[in-house]
Amino acid sequence: DTGVSQDPRHKITKRGQNVTFRCDPISEHNRLYWYRQTLGQGPEFLTYFQNEAQLEKSRLLSDRFSAERPKGSFSTLEIQRTEQGDSAMYLCASSSERGMAEAFFGQGTRLTVV
Amino acid sequence: DAKTTQPPSMDCAEGRAANLPCNHSTISGNEYVYWYRQIHSQGPQYIIHGLKNNETNEMASLIITEDRKSSTLILPHATLRDTAVYYCIVRYFTSGTYKYIFGTGTRLKVLA
Repeated sequence: DTGVSQDPRHKITKRGQNVTFRCDPISEHNRLYWYRQTLGQGPEFLTYFQNEAQLEKSRLLSDRFSAERPKGSFSTLEIQRTEQGDSAMYLCASSSERGMAEAFFGQGTRLTVV
Repeated sequence: DAKTTQPPSMDCAEGRAANLPCNHSTISGNEYVYWYRQIHSQGPQYIIHGLKNNETNEMASLIITEDRKSSTLILPHATLRDTAVYYCIVRYFTSGTYKYIFGTGTRLKVLA
């Protein structure tokens, strides 16, 4: 399968714990996006990488959130000291230079903070 | 403030054309309009994009008004598998960064 893969698909964690999600983009894609989606809402932009450089970062990405893309390949999104409000679907997408024209999304990681 | 506005839901009979409108009145002159759809429990799927001219591909057609303040996605012969939430997306510079803004989308239900 050569699509975007995300791991894990589901994560349940206790409030205050740290969690880390992984995204493996389509191999030839140099752009990678993270979005967050809550129930009934459209995806909200979190951050964007071009190769290993994090070029854009939403203010939604508070100090507790950090994203990396070492060597411009896979990416990780870490949430420290999770809060119940962090419960959401975290979506990763990758694209070529065409950006959101033909970006491919993964299935997402559903986070539940209890 | 909403950057894109779409009706929350629409029904369409199977085999008929589905016309999904989107208002993006504050779009800047060089930004594209993108359409994606999301079937339950899956990630969004790209459909089509356009700047000024009408566009057509194997999935859909996109009609953009001359003033670029609104657009319509057309699924020419809707099938049951087209039941999904459809998002109109535009990139805006807001809060110090460029963001692709998804709205709340239109939930399209194709009826047999």
